[in-house]
Amino acid sequence: AQSVTQLGSHVSVSEGALVLLRCNYSSSVPPYLFWYVQYPNQGLQLLLKYTTGATLVKGINGFEAEFKKSETSFHLTKPSAHMSDAAEYFCAVGRGGGYQKVTFGIGTKLQVIP
Amino acid sequence: NAGVTQTPKFQVLKTGQSMTLQCAQDMNHNSMYWYRQDPGMGLRLIYYSASEGTTDKGEVPNGYNVSRLNKREFSLRLESAAPSQTSVYFCASSRDRGQEGYTFGSGTRLTVV
Repeated sequence: AQSVTQLGSHVSVSEGALVLLRCNYSSSVPPYLFWYVQYPNQGLQLLLKYTTGATLVKGINGFEAEFKKSETSFHLTKPSAHMSDAAEYFCAVGRGGGYQKVTFGIGTKLQVIP
Repeated sequence: NAGVTQTPKFQVLKTGQSMTLQCAQDMNHNSMYWYRQDPGMGLRLIYYSASEGTTDKGEVPNGYNVSRLNKREFSLRLESAAPSQTSVYFCASSRDRGQEGYTFGSGTRLTVV
């Protein structure tokens, strides 16, 4: 079984401040990890993914995430928040090595304060 | 690039009515999925199709049926809608096993009264 925990259903940051969205996972096999972003009334869009190799992965819109196996974490960061980053962010885990059924976290709504 | 197209975008049903949600992708993906999104619960997998001709249950399949009509199309049917099925429904597709991530449609907002 696999699961995802996103700490904080709502996060507020000031424009220009660091964005940190937390994600912890559990998986009995090496995981594939994803971050998706959802803007209002839209579908989810892939931000970045970790499958194998480099543990620091860079995505679109200046976001990056680091896979830390020892901490079972995959936190999403961005050095400087922009108003356009306001959206809901979902962390997801897939089962590495087997058929991909992905489990999603409950999401974190990011508010950016001008 | 159309990607994943879902129809309709909005629908209101009365309890007991039936309807089919349509999904089509133009990326030549093998795998397709149906999720529902509810506040505070994230996305939950209803059914998936690993390849044309196969379908399997996900986490919350009760009250739903699916058809993988061909490689492009994957439909979701509610035979007798219930208020508990009020939700936003997303179709997604992936090239193979999904390790590259999913491409999502824009969703169908369904209300059952």
